[in-house]
Parts: sequence; structure tokens; C-alpha cells
Amino acid sequence: GESVGLHLPTLSVQEGDNSIINCAYSNSASDYFIWYKQESGKGPQFIIDIRSNMDKRQGQRVTVLLNKTVKHLSLQIAATQPGDSAVYFCAENGQERGKTSYDKVIFGPGTSLSVIP
Amino acid sequence: NAGVTQTPKFQVLKTGQSMTLQCAQDMNHNSMYWYRQDPGMGLRLIYYSASEGTTDKGEVPNGYNVSRLNKREFSLRLESAAPSQTSVYFCASSVRDRTEAFFGQGTRLTVV
Repeated sequence: GESVGLHLPTLSVQEGDNSIINCAYSNSASDYFIWYKQESGKGPQFIIDIRSNMDKRQGQRVTVLLNKTVKHLSLQIAATQPGDSAVYFCAENGQERGKTSYDKVIFGPGTSLSVIP
Repeated sequence: NAGVTQTPKFQVLKTGQSMTLQCAQDMNHNSMYWYRQDPGMGLRLIYYSASEGTTDKGEVPNGYNVSRLNKREFSLRLESAAPSQTSVYFCASSVRDRTEAFFGQGTRLTVV
């Protein structure tokens, strides 16, 4: 079935280093992808999104890369800070002919990022 | 600007009891959603409302009902709570399809 999965469930990085969080998806019809950050006890917070007509998108200290050939998505965080410690979710929004796509928003299980001071 | 507000933040129910989770957004968004989050399972969509006056089932709708009261408010009702409904519930809203969703702080529900 369709799924969104993460290669690494946990990731520990040294403060100041770059972090890379990976995500694999299986629905080739997905055309919109989002990364969310969830801090303990809070709701998910939007970080960055990318549409399938793009390979790369940059935000403030974050970059999302999309490789449609291998159905892979990654989130790169530059100069990781203690405030980046959280669980990161990727989500995909697939397209289904003749239907709205809301029910096709699929979230991965999340990767826990810990920043070592 | 409060964003998405959910009430209550915590709730304990006995099996068979009913309750309604409230959600309101002040961003004039068209679409609203209810998710549940269980350990190791990410977020799963229960119901959504693409626009005022419409609601549709998501991935895990059994045991729940929703009401889109107006553009601002979208409530989730558990008619007869079961232990399997112990979870953290999140309400979210977005301008439209394929745009970022804004989430509330969540409701932690325990059914005993």
C-alpha cells in the first residue's frame, strides 16, 4: 500500500553541524510534500514544502530536496541548534483523479532529532 | 491572532461515555481537519472539512462524528468512547488543498 517512511527514527547531531533527515514515499502520484516540526507537548509546525515540479527549495537554514526518480525526500538543517531538537514529520499529498486529495495526505512516523550541546 | 484553538487540553473518559472536542480557527481558512496521533504511527486523518458545509471521512473515521458548525469551528464527537480511542487529537486548518496546515496544541484523551 501507499506509505511514507523515514530511514532513521532517531538522529543525534552536534550543535553547529548540519542535519539531514530522510523520507521515502511510495505513491508516485504524490505532487506536494511538506515537512513539519513537532516539539514536545505541541502541535506540528510547518517548516517547508515543495511541489513535484521542483527538485530543491530553500528556506531559512532549511533545504528540502526531492528526488522523484527514487521517491525520496530529505530535509537539511544547517548549523543545527538546540532549539531544533524535535520530531520531524514528512507528509505527502497525492492526487487522485476526480477526487479531492485531503484524504491522501499521508504522514510518516517521524524522526526524533536530538542536538548535543 | 490565536491561530487554531482546541479545547479541552486534557480529558479522561470512562468507556462508553461521550464527549465533544472543540476546535476553532481565526485565520479565515476554508479547510479544517481532525487527526489522531499514536506512538510510532504518525498522524492519521479522522475527518476533514474541505469547506463550510461539507465533511468527509479520512483514514480512521469509525467511532467519530464531526460537525462543521461554521467557517471557524469544527468539532469532533465521540459517541461511546473506547480504550482504543486513547490518543492525542489534533485539529488543523489550511487555506485550501495543498497548502500548509496549521495545527492546534492538541487534546490528550485517555479512555479507561
